[in-house]
Amino acid sequence: GAVVSQHPSRVICKSGTSVKIECRSLDFQATTMFWYRQFPKQSLMLMATSNEGSKATYEQGVEKDKFLINHASLTLSTLTVTSAHPEDSSFYICSALGAIRTPYEQYFGPGTRLTVT
Amino acid sequence: GQNIDQPTEMTATEGAIVQINCTYQTSGFNGLFWYQQHAGEAPTFLSYNVLDGLEEKGRFSSFLSRSKGYSYLLLKELQMKDSASYLCAVGGYQKVTFGTGTKLQVIP
Repeated sequence: GAVVSQHPSRVICKSGTSVKIECRSLDFQATTMFWYRQFPKQSLMLMATSNEGSKATYEQGVEKDKFLINHASLTLSTLTVTSAHPEDSSFYICSALGAIRTPYEQYFGPGTRLTVT
Repeated sequence: GQNIDQPTEMTATEGAIVQINCTYQTSGFNGLFWYQQHAGEAPTFLSYNVLDGLEEKGRFSSFLSRSKGYSYLLLKELQMKDSASYLCAVGGYQKVTFGTGTKLQVIP
């Protein structure tokens, strides 16, 4: 139980295009999903917190118009990187919060590696 | 805000014991997590400490001292597969802040 999937696992896009990343909780309902970004040899940086049916809460310094988050259901959240640039190349990881064993344990997806050329 | 410090890298020998320290300064505290992350993969949950003391889970143990803002992860009987980054994170319900991680290399 408590499986989170992400799609795609890898994506290469050209500068100026938009990319959508999906995060799904496969066997539980996730009231809250988080989106992180991780640059090489660095830790996870929280980008935004997404609650089903409401607007995402973005961390300071994260452009909400560039990183669009939609949490349309209790099992799906999407992150769209709009007008991507090479500096957006990173490892994007989502996690889902669900009361499986404990209310605080986040279950991480496998990540999406984005390369912008 | 949150400030979390860990050593950047550590090396230990297969079969040995290694302790990875984490210090933190936070404006609010709910609990402290430890995650393991292999290169190119997502983190996996190891432990969550809310109260002071040592919690043991197999080969891994985690310790917390809230008054000192200090935690450590203890790995016993090291195996080659334990080579990974270990992330200390502070938070709890709704939001977690990660430290920069400690890259552990286990050598034969």
